[in-house]
Amino acid sequence: GQNIDQPTEMTATEGAIVQINCTYQTSGFNGLFWYQQHAGEAPTFLSYNVLDGLEEKGRFSSFLSRSKGYSYLLLKELQMKDSASYLCAAMDSNYQLIWGAGTKLIIKP
Amino acid sequence: GAVVSQHPSWVICKSGTSVKIECRSLDFQATTMFWYRQFPKQSLMLMATSNEGSKATYEQGVEKDKFLINHASLTLSTLTVTSAHPEDSSFYICSARSLAGETEQFFGPGTRLTVL
Repeated sequence: GQNIDQPTEMTATEGAIVQINCTYQTSGFNGLFWYQQHAGEAPTFLSYNVLDGLEEKGRFSSFLSRSKGYSYLLLKELQMKDSASYLCAAMDSNYQLIWGAGTKLIIKP
Repeated sequence: GAVVSQHPSWVICKSGTSVKIECRSLDFQATTMFWYRQFPKQSLMLMATSNEGSKATYEQGVEKDKFLINHASLTLSTLTVTSAHPEDSSFYICSARSLAGETEQFFGPGTRLTVL
């Protein structure tokens, strides 16, 4: 079957760094997405990885290892506004997104 | 960038009534649109995939007669919740993809449905 695993909740301190892990199993693979979702709002796109390695985009970076079925989202210099849920989604061979349950990130001052 | 709108943003209705939610791609043509439902503190659940001009493909467990989807044009898809009940209260989100095989989906802002 198809499955995405990510931690339910994480807590970090303002100004620090946090890494949110995601493991996936899909029928075929066409890339790994990370989305940010604030409460009551739709998801917003953060990153897309289809090749192995690290993609850096400002304070956010995303890493992919296809052989391990593993990705992480790295958030640096955390700000209070980064408090949100972070959704990992893998795209299968039919270009369908398989969604993780999301990781709620709590930022403390 | 690609923009997707949804209307209404929120709606409150009485049990037994029907509610229509519109999803529009504003600056691109969407060959495929997706409808999701999200309950509080849960992840997105794909309800159905609709391709312009053809019938929607529903996920297992989603009643096609209750959740009517129409994708009549390349910029508009509608979801009608028929005979709504309180358990249908949820956050409904659409997303759109411009070309078959193109990876990124663009999300609408979502519609909060409350059925009394």
